[in-house]
Amino acid sequence: EDQVTQSPEALRLQEGESSSLNCSYTVSGLRGLFWYRQDPGKGPEFLFTLYSAGEEKEKERLKATLTKKESFLHITAPKPEDSATYLCAVRTFNSGNTPLVFGKGTRLSVIA
Amino acid sequence: DGGITQSPKYLFRKEGQNVTLSCEQNLNHDAMYWYRQDPGQGLRLIYYSQIVNDFQKGDIAEGYSVSREKKESFPLTVTSAQKNPTAFYLCASRPGNTEAFFGQGTRLTVV
Repeated sequence: EDQVTQSPEALRLQEGESSSLNCSYTVSGLRGLFWYRQDPGKGPEFLFTLYSAGEEKEKERLKATLTKKESFLHITAPKPEDSATYLCAVRTFNSGNTPLVFGKGTRLSVIA
Repeated sequence: DGGITQSPKYLFRKEGQNVTLSCEQNLNHDAMYWYRQDPGQGLRLIYYSQIVNDFQKGDIAEGYSVSREKKESFPLTVTSAQKNPTAFYLCASRPGNTEAFFGQGTRLTVV
């Protein structure tokens, strides 16, 4: 069974304090790993897609990386507006057009 | 503007009542999905549809029903058989082998 595990469940950072969120996966053939940001009471907003080990994507203070077993979302010098829940999801060779499998998310709080 | 529209934003259900959540997209996507989100549980799949007039059960389909009569629309009915329906419901669509796009959600509360 495909599984996605995110850690930590919650993370509290001071403004400017860089850190990383982890997404580890156990799947039968990865066809894509997706990062989303979700604000309270809103739908998830797409951030990145990674397809192969070694790939990296960047957007403002966020950088996503991928290995054969896990992905990291690095947050550099975060600001309070980066506070949100970050979700990781995977698509596998089994799935075709079937749904993404999501982790439970990491709730990030950035304190000014 | 292209996107996914969920309505209503808030919905209250009485015990024993069926309610229907609306999801409409104008992105011309073939695949559509319904997820349920509870605190600390992440997104759990209820139903999905890859094409008009076809849909499949997800991991937690009991107590829910769907229809897909038009490409643009994928309504979700929460029936009285769903004993714990209070949750945040998210609809999504996907054009193919890419990321999914989400609506803004419907918060359902049992009163």
